Amino acid sequence: KQEVTQIPAALSVPEGENLVLNCSFTDSAIYNLQWFRQDPGKGLTSLLLIQSSQREQTSGRLNASLDKSSGRSTLYIAASQPGDSATYLCAVIDNAGNMLTFGGGTRLMVKP
Amino acid sequence: GAGVSQSPSNKVTEKGKDVELRCDPISGHTALYWYRQSLGQGLEFLIYFQGNSAPDKSGLPSDRFSAERTGGSVSTLTIQRTQQEDSAVYLCASSPQSQGFYEQYFGPGTRLTVT
Repeated sequence: KQEVTQIPAALSVPEGENLVLNCSFTDSAIYNLQWFRQDPGKGLTSLLLIQSSQREQTSGRLNASLDKSSGRSTLYIAASQPGDSATYLCAVIDNAGNMLTFGGGTRLMVKP
Repeated sequence: GAGVSQSPSNKVTEKGKDVELRCDPISGHTALYWYRQSLGQGLEFLIYFQGNSAPDKSGLPSDRFSAERTGGSVSTLTIQRTQQEDSAVYLCASSPQSQGFYEQYFGPGTRLTVT
């Protein structure tokens, strides 16, 4: 059974810092990996999708990398802003199924 | 265009009552998913519909939970004889699933509270 872990569970940084959020998964036979953002009391907003054949994806100040063989992904946020404060979730789709398996999330606070 | 919509946004019900939660996927998306987000359990898959195929019900926690999708579009998740442990946010997502593109787009969720 696929298990997804995110470290750290919570992170507080001053505005302007570059930061890295980590995601690991136990079964490397994934189809793709998706990073989401969730604001309190809201649904999930898709940030980046990495297909299993890709190594990274970029969108603005966000860069996500995927090392499928080692079961790891990182989300890099450059020049963090208070508006980046949210919970960040990573999730994988296994080759065997179509549902997303989620990590527990990293709760990010960017202080002005 | 319009995203995934869910109704109601909040639902408070008494233990033992039945509830229905509705999801309107993005137009043209063939795949529809239900997930549940509860304290201490994180986000869990419940059920998945793809076109006219039989749904994947492997994530439903008990036989009190059921879902249907009419006309390949709108879906309803029904919880019978609700229990307090059913309190959670129920999220719906849809996906185009064309050419192997599986990105899922989520609705705002329905917050269910069972008293």
